[in-house]
Amino acid sequence: EEQMVESGGDLVQPGGSLRLSCATSGFNFGAFWMNWVRQAPGKGLEWVANINGDGTEINYVDSVKGRFTIFRDNAQNSVFLQMSSLTAGDTAIYYCFYGHYSGHWGQGTLVTVSS
Amino acid sequence: DIQLTQSPTTLSASVGDSVTITCRASQSINHWLAWYRQRPGMAPNLLIYDISNLEGGVPSRFRGAGFGTDFTLTITSLQPDDFGTYYCQQYKDSSRTFGQGTKVEIK
Repeated sequence: EEQMVESGGDLVQPGGSLRLSCATSGFNFGAFWMNWVRQAPGKGLEWVANINGDGTEINYVDSVKGRFTIFRDNAQNSVFLQMSSLTAGDTAIYYCFYGHYSGHWGQGTLVTVSS
Repeated sequence: DIQLTQSPTTLSASVGDSVTITCRASQSINHWLAWYRQRPGMAPNLLIYDISNLEGGVPSRFRGAGFGTDFTLTITSLQPDDFGTYYCQQYKDSSRTFGQGTKVEIK
């Protein structure tokens, strides 16, 4: 069964950095796009970034361009989100999923940006 | 980037009612649309993909329709378990935009 386990969320000060990880199992990881999605408290789902199977195509939502970097390690079946220059607006639960849409989501990891 | 606009923002209906949620895309997305339900404190749950294909285990009272820019999710014979927030998501674009959500409340 496909599984996604997000980790790395923490309380961080404005301007700080954080790296999120998404460890996966149960599918052919290297064949699929991987996505990060976030949900701010009480708000809707916002797609953040994605990366294709071999890492040659990457896309970001405008609000994180230049601050967030998505990358993957196909040997570890994992995708990462390096976040920097964090602001309160980045406070959210961050989820990863594979493919174009997904019936398999992890529990998410909470990022709180606050002083 | 493709924008998705859902309506209504909230709806309240009784058990047994039929309800419809609309999702409009800012440009054609052909058939590249999925629907999710999210309950409080939980991750989203996939209901429908490619406009009208039910994910495994999803009851047949959920029905997706549309093409191009205008799409609907209809829940016939609403059940108490159907409460939550429903989102559409497009995957025509390299981004994976979500609608802003429709909260369904059971009267």
